[in-house]
Amino acid sequence: QKEVEQNSGPLSVPEGAIASLNCTYSDRGSQSFFWYRQYSGKSPELIMFIYSNGDKEDGRFTAQLNKASQYVSLLIRDSQPSDSATYLCAVNNNAGNMLTFGGGTRLMVKP
Amino acid sequence: SQTIHQWPATLVQPVGSPLSLECTVEGTSNPNLYWYRQAAGRGLQLLFYSVGIGQISSEVPQNLSASRPQDRQFILSSKKLLLSDSGFYLCAWSWQGWSGELFFGEGSRLTVL
Repeated sequence: QKEVEQNSGPLSVPEGAIASLNCTYSDRGSQSFFWYRQYSGKSPELIMFIYSNGDKEDGRFTAQLNKASQYVSLLIRDSQPSDSATYLCAVNNNAGNMLTFGGGTRLMVKP
Repeated sequence: SQTIHQWPATLVQPVGSPLSLECTVEGTSNPNLYWYRQAAGRGLQLLFYSVGIGQISSEVPQNLSASRPQDRQFILSSKKLLLSDSGFYLCAWSWQGWSGELFFGEGSRLTVL
């Protein structure tokens, strides 16, 4: 069974710090990786995607992918209270138009 | 621009009662459509997806069913709800070309008592 694992948290960081969110996946055939943010009671929204090994930066967000270790992470620099949400890691193995989601990590940024 | 609407937003149903959740997409044609369920404090579980009218794939065995009677309409149904059906149901769409981005509806929170 294809699995995507995340620490459920909560991960608590002070405002202005770097938040590091991690995700591992079991299917070595996975090709593309996504980070979704979900505010409490709301639907998820895409914030980053990454296809190749290495880092990808977008503003305060950096996605990191290591396919050999089957590991993907999301770094949030200069964390703000508005970043407080659950972050969902999602993986596509190109076997279909589908994503497998992890359980999510709840992030709390304290002022 | 594209929009997705899902309803009802909230419902409380007794065990054994039927269910119908509806989702429509506007502003695009021939989208991929999905139903996900999220139990409290959990991740998203894919229930059904559809690449075209009348084409439904089921990811998990359950007492739920889905239908796509029109190109941009996706319906989730049950004849008899179970307690375990409680959760947050999310409809989503993606482009046929599959960029990996899912666009979610507002969600329907179902409580089965």
